[in-house]
Amino acid sequence: EAAVTQSPRSKVAVTGGKVTLSCHQTNNHDYMYWYRQDTGHGLRLIHYSYVADSTEKGDIPDGYKASRPSQENFSLILELASLSQTAVYFCASSVNWGGSQNTLYFGAGTRLSVL
Amino acid sequence: GDQVEQSPSALSLHEGTGSALRCNFTTTMRAVQWFQQNSRGSLINLFYLASGTKENGRLKSTFNSKESYSTLHIRDAQLEDSGTYFCAAERATGYQNFYFGKGTSLTVIP
Repeated sequence: EAAVTQSPRSKVAVTGGKVTLSCHQTNNHDYMYWYRQDTGHGLRLIHYSYVADSTEKGDIPDGYKASRPSQENFSLILELASLSQTAVYFCASSVNWGGSQNTLYFGAGTRLSVL
Repeated sequence: GDQVEQSPSALSLHEGTGSALRCNFTTTMRAVQWFQQNSRGSLINLFYLASGTKENGRLKSTFNSKESYSTLHIRDAQLEDSGTYFCAAERATGYQNFYFGKGTSLTVIP
């Protein structure tokens, strides 16, 4: 079974502070993703990566940076946290893109509150 | 606008009954996944379909790319089926992304 681990599970941050969310996968997957979930909405893609040392922008990248130092690790960085970034953040991995079984495997999520 | 329209937004079922959830797509999608989000917030994989129909226990899902929709049928609903169900569709072109519907909140009533 695929394993994606996020840390921390919850965090309270102050407006203007820096926040780093971490994700680690043991699936040997090439693709990793960061999504945010807001109440009443589905998940929206922030950043993704398909290879170490490279990241790509998703649909809502403003205010976020990402880092993929290795195949296993993918971080989401909020340089200047804002109230509007209060949400639940999910990391996910998948084998590839365009393949016959591109199943997304999610971590348990990080609940971020910016005060 | 939204590329995935999911309905209904909320649903109540008595134990033992069934119903269908639906996702309509406004653009061509190459595959769809269905997830259940449980009370702890975890997203559980239910199905991945590039075409046709898959069945797993009391759940069955269909994806029709040509007509741009997918359905998830739940039969003989149990209390543990309560939660929010999301479909996520893979766009056929463009960069890698899965577009999520806004979810169906399912409550199973004893």
